[in-house]
Amino acid sequence: AQTVTQSQPEMSVQEAETVTLSCTYDTSESDYYLFWYKQPPSRQMILVIRQEAYKQQNATENRFSVNFQKAAKSFSLKISDSQLGDAAMYFCAFRPANTDKLIFGTGTRLQVFP
Amino acid sequence: KAGVTQTPRYLIKTRGQQVTLSCSPISGHRSVSWYQQTPGQGLQFLFEYFSETQRNKGNFPGRFSGRQFSNSRSEMNVSTLELGDSALYLCASSLAGQGIRYFGPGTRLTVT
Repeated sequence: AQTVTQSQPEMSVQEAETVTLSCTYDTSESDYYLFWYKQPPSRQMILVIRQEAYKQQNATENRFSVNFQKAAKSFSLKISDSQLGDAAMYFCAFRPANTDKLIFGTGTRLQVFP
Repeated sequence: KAGVTQTPRYLIKTRGQQVTLSCSPISGHRSVSWYQQTPGQGLQFLFEYFSETQRNKGNFPGRFSGRQFSNSRSEMNVSTLELGDSALYLCASSLAGQGIRYFGPGTRLTVT
């Protein structure tokens, strides 16, 4: 079975600091995509960053970057220079290349303190 | 471009009734998928449609069904509602073959 595990139910960070959210996944697929989605209190799911499994280079989007370790099946999200607006639920998600189904982790609630 | 829209945003139904939720994808997107989000089960895949055909289905009972129209708009239907169907139902659209799903704001369904 394909699973996504987020072992940190809650994390907190001070404004301007850096925080890393963890995600591991289990699959026998060799070709897949990984995502981090953010869900603020408004409930709108917003894509933060995407990584193709065949790319060795870690994806980066402004203050957001990932550490993708394919052999370890690990996909962590680093948020630099944290802002109050980063406070939200963060979901790690996995999608095998040959399906349309997104498999989500249980989420990490990130709090940002001024 | 306008984002994914879902209607209605909030809905209250009684156990045993049925409900239909609607999703309009981003213009040009032909794939629509549906997810159920609950505090207990998290985010679970319901089904995905592409060009009016269901391509994948999650592990939900037959009371959950969906369809897609020729303009790519999609509806999902839940018949004989149960209390456990109370959830946020999220719709996502994507271009065919792309890995990125763009989500709508969701429909909050409460079953009493």
